[in-house]
Amino acid sequence: EVQLVESGGGLVQPGRSLRLSCAASGFNFDDYAMHWVRQAPGKGLEWVSGINWNSGNIAYAETVMGRFTISRDNAKNSVFLQMNSLRAEDTALYYCVKGEGLILLHFDHWGQGALVTVSS
Amino acid sequence: QSVLTQPPSASGTPGQRVNFSCSGSSSNIGTNFVYWYQQFPGTAPKLLIYRNDRRPSGVPDRFSGSKSGTSASLAISGLRSEDEADYYCVAWDDSLRGGVFGTGTKVTVL
Repeated sequence: EVQLVESGGGLVQPGRSLRLSCAASGFNFDDYAMHWVRQAPGKGLEWVSGINWNSGNIAYAETVMGRFTISRDNAKNSVFLQMNSLRAEDTALYYCVKGEGLILLHFDHWGQGALVTVSS
Repeated sequence: QSVLTQPPSASGTPGQRVNFSCSGSSSNIGTNFVYWYQQFPGTAPKLLIYRNDRRPSGVPDRFSGSKSGTSASLAISGLRSEDEADYYCVAWDDSLRGGVFGTGTKVTVL
C-alpha cells in the first residue's frame, strides 16, 4: 500500500523558516517524481514544486521561487520542502504527492497534508 | 494566481449530465496533458481523469474528459448525490515551467 506521510508543519512567524518532510513507502520511490501541492484555507489547489526521480530536474511556482527549495533522499525514501522567508500568504495545507513525472501531473497518491500557519 | 479558468459552480438534478470547462492557453493545455481531480471537504484530492481523457481503474465511466485546442472539459453523466464535490483541472505550463491548477468548480446535485 502506498503511503505518504508529511511532517514538520506548524505555526511560524513571518520571515522565519520551516522544513517539511514526506516519508514514502509502498512503491519504488526512486522511479517517480515527487511534488508539493498546497491549499490555503477555503481556497483552491496550488502546485508548489516538483522534483524528478534523480533530482536532475526541479521546478517551482513563481510564488515560491527563490524562497522554497525541494530536495529528495532516495536512500531514505523521503522528499523535503525547505521554506524560507515565509509570508502570511504561505499559510496552507501542504500535500506531498507522488507524480508520474515532473511535467506529467498524474498525482495518484496524496499524503494527508501538513498544516503551515504563518502568523505573528 | 490560477492560469486555468473554470466556472465556479455547476449543478444538476440526479440522473442529469453536467459538463464544465477548463480554459487555458497554448503554453499549458494547448501543449500538455490535462488531469482532473475530485475533492471532498476535508479530504485530499483524488485523481479522476489523466492524460486528457483516461480514467484510472475504479473511477466510474460516468466521468469523462476531453480536450480541444486550449480548453478541456469534464463531463459527469447520470449525476449522483455522491458526485457533490470540488473539481480541479491541472496542466503543465511550458512558459511558467510549472504546474497550473484551475480555479475549481463546485458541483451541486439539486
